[in-house]
Amino acid sequence: AQTVTQSQPEMSVQEAETVTLSCTYDTSESDYYLFWYKQPPSRQMILVIRQEAYKQQNATENRFSVNFQKAAKSFSLKISDSQLGDAAMYFCAYRSKNSGNTPLVFGKGTRLSVIA
Amino acid sequence: GAVVSQHPSRVICKSGTSVKIECRSLDFQATTMFWYRQFPKQSLMLMATSNEGSKATYEQGVEKDKFLINHASLTLSTLTVTSAHPEDSSFYICSARAETSGRAWGEQYFGPGTRLTVT
Repeated sequence: AQTVTQSQPEMSVQEAETVTLSCTYDTSESDYYLFWYKQPPSRQMILVIRQEAYKQQNATENRFSVNFQKAAKSFSLKISDSQLGDAAMYFCAYRSKNSGNTPLVFGKGTRLSVIA
Repeated sequence: GAVVSQHPSRVICKSGTSVKIECRSLDFQATTMFWYRQFPKQSLMLMATSNEGSKATYEQGVEKDKFLINHASLTLSTLTVTSAHPEDSSFYICSARAETSGRAWGEQYFGPGTRLTVT
């Protein structure tokens, strides 16, 4: 079974600075999806960024980018120019491509605080 | 706007009663829906996977007779907590996977969650 590990329970960053959240995963599959989700205090899960394993290019969405290292099974999230609204829980997630029913496998999350 | 709705957003019920939570995909069809439970400051715990027109698949340790899931249509799934007890108090989140070209295929959207308190 696949597992996702987020080794940083909490992180903090100064406003306008850059922060990187770590995520590693374990799988024997060669093709899969990786995601970062944000859960603000409202508790609504919001997709931040998605990466397909067969794509070598790292995904980027505005201030958010990933460092996908397939061989190392690492998928870190970099937030640039951090804003107060970035404060939230961030979950890394894995999804197999084997079938349409496969659920997301979540890490335990990293709580990000942004300091004004 | 939200693409997956949940109702109610908050519910308080007495011990021993049953509570139904609805999850709707508003602008896409979802063959597969997922139900999660989340305790404070913890990650999402998958409870079950439901497919339209068939029985839900429950995760190990989740009582299927307590947490009844019905996925009667491509846009509606319900979770009924039967004979609720205080230990069932939690935050329940549904998620629907898009299966049509109107939304990115395979994308998974989350409802806003339902806070259940059993007194």
